[in-house]
Amino acid sequence: GAGVSQSPSNKVTEKGKDVELRCDPISGHTALYWYRQSLGQGLEFLIYFQGNSAPDKSGLPSDRFSAERTGGSVSTLTIQRTQQEDSAVYLCASSPRYSGANVLTFGAGSRLTVL
Amino acid sequence: GQQVMQIPQYQHVQEGEDFTTYCNSSTTLSNIQWYKQRPGGHPVFLIQLVKSGEVKKQKRLTFQFGEAKKNSSLHITATQTTDVGTYFCCSNTGKLIFGQGTTLQVKP
Repeated sequence: GAGVSQSPSNKVTEKGKDVELRCDPISGHTALYWYRQSLGQGLEFLIYFQGNSAPDKSGLPSDRFSAERTGGSVSTLTIQRTQQEDSAVYLCASSPRYSGANVLTFGAGSRLTVL
Repeated sequence: GQQVMQIPQYQHVQEGEDFTTYCNSSTTLSNIQWYKQRPGGHPVFLIQLVKSGEVKKQKRLTFQFGEAKKNSSLHITATQTTDVGTYFCCSNTGKLIFGQGTTLQVKP
């Protein structure tokens, strides 16, 4: 597609429920990132996929968080047993190559509210 | 892990005044990127610096990369209300890690 697409744009859920957030990167982009941005805060790195290599999961805050990328394209971020502190905007970004001098194109984000 | 510290966190200026945000790393960076996030929007790429001591300009914006490649700055000359937003530096050491950002408010 022309840009990075994320869905849903808004999600309200009850504490304890599981949620799935989807990211459809720019076609041909081999690197895909997930970041979390709490209200008024910076961009917290969550996970990084690069081509067919094992993802860098070092930013995932707990084992309730997981992500996968199927076929080197679409990615899903799953949060199990959501907590109120998980409320944030989850941003996905993709870039053309594995590493080095790469420019990130961000999606519009998925705003998650946990009641 | 790799971290970049960005200061100040907030800056309020009168329209027409200059603005500078600074980004510092404890380790040498291969390159550094700058992004701008408008209120309610998502980050958008501004520029990338690769060489030691590099200086790049985009209209009223001047970007610098330190000689040791451990720090960088973004300077805006004569701010306008359209400059409002949060400016992030981003270090590239394989994965892309963002600084905390500097939020700029401009009073007309």
